[in-house]
Amino acid sequence: AQSVSQHNHHVILSEAASLELGCNYSYGGTVNLFWYVQYPGQHLQLLLKYFSGDPLVKGIKGFEAEFIKSKFSFNLRKPSVQWSDTAEYFCAVRGGSQGNLIFGKGTKLSVKP
Amino acid sequence: EAGVAQSPRYKIIEKRQSVAFWCNPISGHATLYWYQQILGQGPKLLIQFQNNGVVDDSQLPKDRFSAERLKGVDSTLKIQPAKLEDSAVYLCASSSTLAGGFYEQYFGPGTRLTVT
Repeated sequence: AQSVSQHNHHVILSEAASLELGCNYSYGGTVNLFWYVQYPGQHLQLLLKYFSGDPLVKGIKGFEAEFIKSKFSFNLRKPSVQWSDTAEYFCAVRGGSQGNLIFGKGTKLSVKP
Repeated sequence: EAGVAQSPRYKIIEKRQSVAFWCNPISGHATLYWYQQILGQGPKLLIQFQNNGVVDDSQLPKDRFSAERLKGVDSTLKIQPAKLEDSAVYLCASSSTLAGGFYEQYFGPGTRLTVT
């Protein structure tokens, strides 16, 4: 069965610090990988996605993620966080082109101004 | 473009009572999903509709949960009777099916259910 593991429950950073949120998945075949973000009081929304090709994908608001197949990982990064990045971040995996999304438990990011 | 609409936003009921949630997807989206998000966890798919047909309901507790999408647009999710462990946020999402199979899911604001 597919599963997604997010290593950090709550991350607290100061503005301008670099961010890396870990995500590992368990699935033996071709996967599609996603990061979703939920800002306080807002809907869950897609941050970035990986389907194939360049393993380094760029999303909105300066976020990027790197797919490392050998490590079954899809970590989210941002060089310099802002207070407005305070949100909960969810990694999700979809096995194949027709499978359903399996979400991790989420990582809450708090950025101190 | 209007987003996915859900109502009510909050609901408090006692255990063994019934409750229903409503979802209106983005216009033209053929696929509709209901997720359950328990506090501290990620969303878990309960049921997926393609137009008015069920594609996947393998994780829907069918002894108490039911869902319908009669005209292929709006959908309702019902819990009858509710248990304490049903306390969660119920998210509705919709997507269109594009060539190549990729579909971005757009989520609604959710309904927060508290069962006492």
